[in-house]
Amino acid sequence: GQQLNQSPQSMFIQEGEDVSMNCTSSSIFNTWLWYKQDPGEGPVLLIALYKAGELTSNGRLTAQFGITRKDSFLNISASIPSDVGIYFCAGFAPDTGKLIFGQGTTLQVKP
Amino acid sequence: GAVVSQHPSRVICKSGTSVKIECRSLDFQATTMFWYRQFPKQSLMLMATSNEGSKATYEQGVEKDKFLINHASLTLSTLTVTSAHPEDSSFYICSAYLNSNQPQHFGDGTRLSIL
Repeated sequence: GQQLNQSPQSMFIQEGEDVSMNCTSSSIFNTWLWYKQDPGEGPVLLIALYKAGELTSNGRLTAQFGITRKDSFLNISASIPSDVGIYFCAGFAPDTGKLIFGQGTTLQVKP
Repeated sequence: GAVVSQHPSRVICKSGTSVKIECRSLDFQATTMFWYRQFPKQSLMLMATSNEGSKATYEQGVEKDKFLINHASLTLSTLTVTSAHPEDSSFYICSAYLNSNQPQHFGDGTRLSIL
């Protein structure tokens, strides 16, 4: 079945540093989504990407939909302690109507 | 603000009890909702797709008689874990979207603990 490979699995950074994480897929998606999940809560949508090559920002977050439609990255600039959490990429598979999730990237920020 | 509401947020009950979890879309009608299960330090695993007015579609390996889904209205889907046992303890999360061209929005999840 379809799988998403998300990396890195975890990151421990200093406050103020920039962060980058990415997802790759063996198959094509027509939508890429990035979510953040805090402990004990559901995922919250950060950025949605709908076109190959699309670059979208949401505050300090920037995400891009890869040209090949098989990858996406998320950048966080000037990290702050509240950025701590688990970040998930997800690809929407139009043939099944389902979201396929990456394994998640756990981000820890040291003040 | 939240667009999908999930209730209860936490349930602790004895083995053999049936537990119902509700998922509501707050400001839109959702003909399709999704139920996920998440184990600690793992990603979300899709359990089933809930379709308003018809039977849910279950993923491979998910027992439909164990996890009963009812989507009786355009804003409410329920998941009932029947005769729950300790191995059913997990974090259950629902999601919904306005249509397939829109992203899924998630509820806050339900932490189910079976003693």
